[in-house]
Amino acid sequence: DAGITQSPRHKVTETGTPVTLRCHQTENHRYMYWYRQDPGHGLRLIHYSYGVKDTDKGEVSDGYSVSRSKTEDFLLTLESATSSQTSVYFCAISERDGHLSAGELFFGEGSRLTVL
Amino acid sequence: DQQVKQNSPSLSVQEGRISILNCDYTNSMFDYFLWYKKYPAEGPTFLISISSIKDKNEDGRFTVFLNKSAKHLSLHIVPSQPGDSAVYFCAASGNQFYFGTGTSLTVIP
Repeated sequence: DAGITQSPRHKVTETGTPVTLRCHQTENHRYMYWYRQDPGHGLRLIHYSYGVKDTDKGEVSDGYSVSRSKTEDFLLTLESATSSQTSVYFCAISERDGHLSAGELFFGEGSRLTVL
Repeated sequence: DQQVKQNSPSLSVQEGRISILNCDYTNSMFDYFLWYKKYPAEGPTFLISISSIKDKNEDGRFTVFLNKSAKHLSLHIVPSQPGDSAVYFCAASGNQFYFGTGTSLTVIP
């Protein structure tokens, strides 16, 4: 199993508060991703990183920011949480770019966030 | 607009029979197509993939078929087992990974 740890695994917070989710990997993979999973929408990409300090937006990036100061850590921040950000968040890693090979993703176990 | 679509939210199959999960896509530039399996309260796990230059890939009980002209792929599971009951996501890779909405498979013993 790929070494990916997400924290916290569960969090309940109130609207307007900041929230940071952490993804930690021990595989030294270059690419890291944050997805959210919602009923009827599947997995949607929020942000991804292709190296330390190199990040880019996904299809649902509004309201989220990310940082990657070390290869092993990728942080997802909700500056001011809203109820629409209640979701299950998955971190994923990949060692190759999707264009170059199958570059399968390895996922963490997910972080369930509830914004009241 | 969703680039990868799974139009069947759920599927029920008897144990031992074939399960066929379908997926459609819109972008002919995708390089690879992948299937992931997800159990409740766990992250998705990679199941099988196929390159856009192939039309079939087989791995044990799992076979993925790709029809590029129809922009359609399918996952066949033969024989289906109760442990196969899970949500299956189809994905396509290009500059990033795009996922379908998932199909919940129930294999009835």
